[in-house]
Amino acid sequence: QVQLVESGGGVVQPGRSLRLSCAASGFTFSNYGIHWVRQTPGKGLEWVAVISYDARNTYYADSVKGRFTISRDNSKNMLYLQMNSLRPEDTAVYYCAKGLGPMIPLDYWGQGTLVTVSS
Amino acid sequence: QSALTQPASVSGSPGQSITISCTGTSSDVGGYNYVSWYQQYPGKVPKLLIYDVTNRPSGVSNRFSGSKSGNTASLTISGLQAEDEADYYCSSYTSSSTPVLFGGGTKLTVL
Repeated sequence: QVQLVESGGGVVQPGRSLRLSCAASGFTFSNYGIHWVRQTPGKGLEWVAVISYDARNTYYADSVKGRFTISRDNSKNMLYLQMNSLRPEDTAVYYCAKGLGPMIPLDYWGQGTLVTVSS
Repeated sequence: QSALTQPASVSGSPGQSITISCTGTSSDVGGYNYVSWYQQYPGKVPKLLIYDVTNRPSGVSNRFSGSKSGNTASLTISGLQAEDEADYYCSSYTSSSTPVLFGGGTKLTVL
């Protein structure tokens, strides 16, 4: 069955960096675009970024553009999110999610990893 | 880019039907048939309910249906059940610099 397992979350000071990982299994990883979506505790979902199946195309939310970088390693079935210049408003649970089509919908989601940006 | 607009809350009694709206613009909801809906229970992961406006993934109850008119998409839940009490989010592809938007979410209460 499809599984997405995020890791790398934690507490980090404002201005510092953090890298999230997402390990995928149960499907042909290299055939699908993969997204990062975040959710502030008790609040709504915010789309963060997507990378195409072949890593040639990446897109970002305006709120993270220039600070976050999405990447993937199809040989390892791994997705990454490099987060630089972190801000308190980046505090959220970060989910990786598999795309069903070229962009949306997102048909499988991981359990999420919590990132807390605080001094 | 602003989030898609959903009512903060809706409620209904068991057996009734309810509709949750999701309003965008001609650059997102109105311009593309790429609207999807997700159900999320507290502390749980979102689950895909509807995609491409009207399509249900395998295993999703046919009590859930989607539609669109102009810049507003809708999720209808018929035969409301206690287990439907959850948060519901819409999402759309958009031609803006941020290609995917979510709505703010709607909390459904089953009375």
